[in-house]
Amino acid sequence: NAGVTQTPKFQVLKTGQSMTLQCAQDMNHNSMYWYRQDPGMGLRLIYYSASEGTTDKGEVPNGYNVSRLNKREFSLRLESAAPSQTSVYFCASSEPDRGRTGELFFGEGSRLTVL
Amino acid sequence: DAKTTQPPSMDCAEGRAANLPCNHSTISGNEYVYWYRQIHSQGPQYIIHGLKNNETNEMASLIITEDRKSSTLILPHATLRDTAVYYCIVRVPPAGGFKTIFGAGTRLFVKA
Repeated sequence: NAGVTQTPKFQVLKTGQSMTLQCAQDMNHNSMYWYRQDPGMGLRLIYYSASEGTTDKGEVPNGYNVSRLNKREFSLRLESAAPSQTSVYFCASSEPDRGRTGELFFGEGSRLTVL
Repeated sequence: DAKTTQPPSMDCAEGRAANLPCNHSTISGNEYVYWYRQIHSQGPQYIIHGLKNNETNEMASLIITEDRKSSTLILPHATLRDTAVYYCIVRVPPAGGFKTIFGAGTRLFVKA
C-alpha cells in the first residue's frame, strides 16, 4: 500500500527557476492538500482541493499554483522560486464522506532548497 | 475552525503516562478535536479524534472536558519512540473543514 507518494524527495533550485512537486494517492480519496513546514515551525496550508476539479487557497498561497489533474494527482508549482520558499513540502489526502474519520494521510515530504 | 493553544514543550519519563493538554475555548458545537503527531521530519500521523465523549484507541486516550473548551491526549505508557511534536486541531469533519490548520504543537521529549 503506497498511500501518498511525493516526488521529488529532494530538490535544489536557483532563485527564479520553476519546478513542480508531484503528489499521488492510491486510497481513492476525494480531498488533497499541500502544506509547507519551515524549520522548527508547524505546518501551514498552501492550497487544498476538496474534490476533483476544485482548488482553494489556504493560509499561504502566494507564489504557488496547483493543479488537480485527476482524482489521484495534485501538483504544486513554483513559477519563480525564491529563497523564502525553502521548506519541506507535504502532500496529504482525506476522505470527506460522512461516517469516516476525515483524518489526513500524509506523504513523506519533499525537501526544497532555493539558493 | 477554532484556534487551539498548546504548551510548546513537555518532558515525560519512559514508562510513565504522558498527558498533553490543549485549550480550544472557542470551539463550536459541531467541531471535533483531532490529534496528530510528527516524528522527526516525517509526515504527521493521525492519532485520535472526538466530539464530546472520551475516546480510546490502541495509540492513546482523549479526554474532553464537559464544556469542551479543553482536552488532554494521554499516552498511557510513553516510550522513547513517542518523542515527537503533537498537534491538537479542531475542525468539522469530514465534509466541512477542509481547511485543516495546524498550529505549532507540543514537542514531547520522552526520557529514559
